[in-house]
Amino acid sequence: NAGVMQNPRHLVRRRGQEARLRCSPMKGHSHVYWYRQLPEEGLKFMVYLQKENIIDESGMPKERFSAEFPKEGPSILRIQQVVRGDSAAYFCASSQSAWTDTQYFGPGTRLTVL
Amino acid sequence: AQTVTQSQPEMSVQEAETVTLSCTYDTSESDYYLFWYKQPPSRQMILVIRQEAYKQQNATENRFSVNFQKAAKSFSLKISDSQLGDAAMYFCSFMDSNYQLIWGAGTKLIIKP
Repeated sequence: NAGVMQNPRHLVRRRGQEARLRCSPMKGHSHVYWYRQLPEEGLKFMVYLQKENIIDESGMPKERFSAEFPKEGPSILRIQQVVRGDSAAYFCASSQSAWTDTQYFGPGTRLTVL
Repeated sequence: AQTVTQSQPEMSVQEAETVTLSCTYDTSESDYYLFWYKQPPSRQMILVIRQEAYKQQNATENRFSVNFQKAAKSFSLKISDSQLGDAAMYFCSFMDSNYQLIWGAGTKLIIKP
């Protein structure tokens, strides 16, 4: 049973470009969570999605960031017009159900903005 | 607001000995979950152990065990017979009915051979 998959593992963008981060949850998991980790810090919640629905986006910056989890295909975290402050590791986690279940993490995508 | 505090930025232990990492949290809820995750240099976030707040019994996974003190809002991780492969950042996290994991700042564990 494959774990949570994220790609790319490393992504380099210049300021003003768009970054697209992909996350495929574990088989049988329909709940996806995105977290951001700045250097030397713990993770910060960004958004929680179920298939075709955003459940909680309270941790997402209001501008330039969006997330989706379509009926078919991976969840996508999109950052438009990236700035240097967006440089971080972005982790995706999935769970089988919501609040009683453990979240399993992917390997993360390290975004570097030049 | 819920918070998680890890007061030890770095800990070191001799191989084969025991080390305890501390974690405290703050919440007004009575039902929640607590986790310890490990992040080795590969940066993969790996679940170490999970504790349900309604369970009085402390969770155990092989060499890893917790000391859960609900009244004190304390959730420490004990690693017995430390191994070189245990070297990593260890994060304590908390989940309540909002489904979000709230994270501590992490403790860097160094294993001395």
